[in-house]
Amino acid sequence: GAGVSQSPSNKVTEKGKDVELRCDPISGHTALYWYRQSLGQGLEFLIYFQGNSAPDKSGLPSDRFSAERTGGSVSTLTIQRTQQEDSAVYLCASSLALAGRARDYEQYFGPGTRLTVT
Amino acid sequence: QKEVEQDPGPLSVPEGAIVSLNCTYSNSAFQYFMWYRQYSRKGPELLMYTYSSGNKEDGRFTAQVDKSSKYISLFIRDSQPSDSATYLCAMVATGAGSYQLTFGKGTKLSVIP
Repeated sequence: GAGVSQSPSNKVTEKGKDVELRCDPISGHTALYWYRQSLGQGLEFLIYFQGNSAPDKSGLPSDRFSAERTGGSVSTLTIQRTQQEDSAVYLCASSLALAGRARDYEQYFGPGTRLTVT
Repeated sequence: QKEVEQDPGPLSVPEGAIVSLNCTYSNSAFQYFMWYRQYSRKGPELLMYTYSSGNKEDGRFTAQVDKSSKYISLFIRDSQPSDSATYLCAMVATGAGSYQLTFGKGTKLSVIP
């Protein structure tokens, strides 16, 4: 089956502009996550969605970052008034559920969107 | 102290060598342990997972967990140039309908032909 897809694969934008990054999770996966990965750094958790529950936004670095998930499937991460420090790879992942089975915690990642703010 | 510590490397080995990658952790609540492999300019892909102490083998890969020492390892036998990638450990703590997934920073591995 299809994996997690993300678009665009690359995005170059000018400082101060808004950008939208899209994620299509694996069909049937109820949990969706956004991470940021800067050069040489590990994965920085941003936000996650689980079914219809309120999202966990605890990782969002500032109020310029927001995300939504429509219909329990596709998600969009929006960065307003981009800054140069926002340049990174933005990764989306999905997993089955939080049903308590070990395999439910396995996250499957998309290829990422490489964002460059000039 | 960070919850998960992983030596970033880089680690360079000759083809055919046995590779040992490690993570230590401080949170006793971690129950599930995973290893991800990330090729350059790609998203991480799940390599192995385990939820108990001991060894789990899959082909040339062996994942080892020692909960008493809070130490996990990934061994790669007969390493190949195609194994060159960054390897990230990940750990899950669960409770009260939620869970916490924490990644290590990753170890960059190069296997030289």
